[in-house]
Amino acid sequence: QQQVKQSPQSLIVQKGGISIINCAYENTAFDYFPWYQQFPGKGPALLIAIRPDVSEKKEGRFTISFNKSAKQFSLHIMDSQPGDSATYFCAARGKGGKLIFGQGTELSVKP
Amino acid sequence: NAGVTQTPKFRVLKTGQSMTLLCAQDMNHEYMYWYRQDPGMGLRLIHYSVGEGTTAKGEVPDGYNVSRLKKQNFLLGLESAAPSQTSVYFCASSSGTSGVGEQFFGPGTRLTVL
Repeated sequence: QQQVKQSPQSLIVQKGGISIINCAYENTAFDYFPWYQQFPGKGPALLIAIRPDVSEKKEGRFTISFNKSAKQFSLHIMDSQPGDSATYFCAARGKGGKLIFGQGTELSVKP
Repeated sequence: NAGVTQTPKFRVLKTGQSMTLLCAQDMNHEYMYWYRQDPGMGLRLIHYSVGEGTTAKGEVPDGYNVSRLKKQNFLLGLESAAPSQTSVYFCASSSGTSGVGEQFFGPGTRLTVL
């Protein structure tokens, strides 16, 4: 069963625009919510992460918004650039440190 | 530091053949993981290890076996490959579940089973 649902599956944004990717989870025992970025032919790499006791975390142009009551979290990419074009995965950490990944969002930023 | 390395990078198998994928990490991490990535499915955990000599099943373990004889290495075996095992396989490692617990991924192995 899919415990972390991610949307949209693909996203096209103009350069300078805001990219928003959403995730929803079911298990309230998850204790850590990372976002991974993956470029074609490469392995995923940690982009930014948040714990459930924080509602927002910002690192440069990347922000995670976390809504614990709604069991939802989202990634916002401000001033999106063509170099941000990649696949983004949300994840949630559960028992034993195992990560449950969302289905992924393929982001394309058009110049 | 090389981080997490995987060999081979590409492999084509015929149905019924066997093979072993090797993962190595030089970060002295306790935890290691094997995932498969399929379009629209994200990354799914196959097996993982919380230390040398230990292994455990993940979300999709059927058809795979693993071994962690040395702390730095984690092997994934396919005893009798099936077309459904065509996928990209990623190995990852982490220092544990405390703190950030960031998982570091290798570059992947693209496997095709004919």
